[in-house]
Amino acid sequence: DSGVTQTPKHLITATGQRVTLRCSPRSGDLSVYWYQQSLDQGLQFLIQYYNGEERAKGNILERFSAQQFPDLHSELNLSSLELGDSALYFCASSGPDPHTEAFFGQGTRLTVV
Amino acid sequence: SQQGEEDPQALSIQEGENATMNCSYKTSINNLQWYRQNSGRGLVHLILIRSNEREKHSGRLRVTLDTSKKSSSLLITASRAADTASYFCAPGRGSNYKLTFGKGTLLTVNP
Repeated sequence: DSGVTQTPKHLITATGQRVTLRCSPRSGDLSVYWYQQSLDQGLQFLIQYYNGEERAKGNILERFSAQQFPDLHSELNLSSLELGDSALYFCASSGPDPHTEAFFGQGTRLTVV
Repeated sequence: SQQGEEDPQALSIQEGENATMNCSYKTSINNLQWYRQNSGRGLVHLILIRSNEREKHSGRLRVTLDTSKKSSSLLITASRAADTASYFCAPGRGSNYKLTFGKGTLLTVNP
């Protein structure tokens, strides 16, 4: 158990809909990372937050947004969903220093039908 | 790009054999991490090697780093079927906070 909790584990929704994925980091970790993993694109870095502020941005679509709340949990919002958004979405957390060990959650499997 | 590129893309060996996978990167780094991912699961951190280190061991894992060649290798000795997984490297550089990964090496250990 990594200590990072992601909910829900599975999500099936229709095209055009909006969903919210939730991540609770390990106790004491200030950094939260979001990733999208699909068979054709591999593991894509989406965005990183540190103590409530956006720190780094990757290949995140404009239809996607994220935030980190004062209690350090984070949410990834995906809107106007397309079939191609079907993927595993991972959250990871780490301590304050960059490039230290990151702990990954078990992921949310999103299926868009 | 900061992300590393793992090589080979796939590796199949017999139980008990050693497995070596490589990582190349393009920029100078402060450290480099290796992660393992079992199918459909979250990544698990294996080892971190700093830029001033040349070699590091953890159990059956041995990581080397050659900053002059901008490359690292991960050696798994006496492999087991349970080592079957994808392995990713993540170079870390300065204040660049992105933790990015390549496509990984898929290791299959046959019993």
